[in-house]
Amino acid sequence: DGGITQSPKYLFRKEGQNVTLSCEQNLNHDAMYWYRQDPGQGLRLIYYSQIVNDFQKGDIAEGYSVSREKKESFPLTVTSAQKNPTAFYLCASSIPGQRNTEAFFGQGTRLTVV
Amino acid sequence: GDSVTQMEGPVTLSEEAFLTINCTYTATGYPSLFWYVQYPGEGLQLLLKATKADDKGSNKGFEATYRKETTSFHLEKGSVQVSDSAVYFCARGAGGTSYGKLTFGQGTILTVHP
Repeated sequence: DGGITQSPKYLFRKEGQNVTLSCEQNLNHDAMYWYRQDPGQGLRLIYYSQIVNDFQKGDIAEGYSVSREKKESFPLTVTSAQKNPTAFYLCASSIPGQRNTEAFFGQGTRLTVV
Repeated sequence: GDSVTQMEGPVTLSEEAFLTINCTYTATGYPSLFWYVQYPGEGLQLLLKATKADDKGSNKGFEATYRKETTSFHLEKGSVQVSDSAVYFCARGAGGTSYGKLTFGQGTILTVHP
């Protein structure tokens, strides 16, 4: 079945450490996105990529980095510069350039700083 | 910039009650509009969508109509079930080649009691 796989489901990080969240899709979508979800705040866009080897900052990119070396993969690194990294992280993908397209989401990774 | 405003929650209903969750959006451009649902500990699933004015999206008994004159996309269901308990997000798409890039409302928690 086609879909988006995020791993791990739960992740614990010590303060001062970088950590990388995985996102893989087999939907053949060109566009991929990372959102952060905090209670009562909805989802906020961190980074997005419309095509391989290209990505753009979203609304809250500070303290995060991404890469897009393959169409299927869009890993997110939460760096030690992110002051409040504990959150639920969601990866999504879509077909760019089509007005009626929706975003398809993975199951999320819950990151906790300990 | 683009924004989406949802009615504040949480919403608590008895089974078979009528549901309305209000959603308004900024009128920049002609966005596609979406309702997503999130069950506990999971990612987001598309519930319904509408891509132009007066379109009605519907799925699983839920409906929402794209109202350009009031910039609204309210979610309704005539008779809710316990299994509808979840968080509901209204979202608008961006324009141009970034249609899958979404701006979300803050989410509305729905609890349905037997």
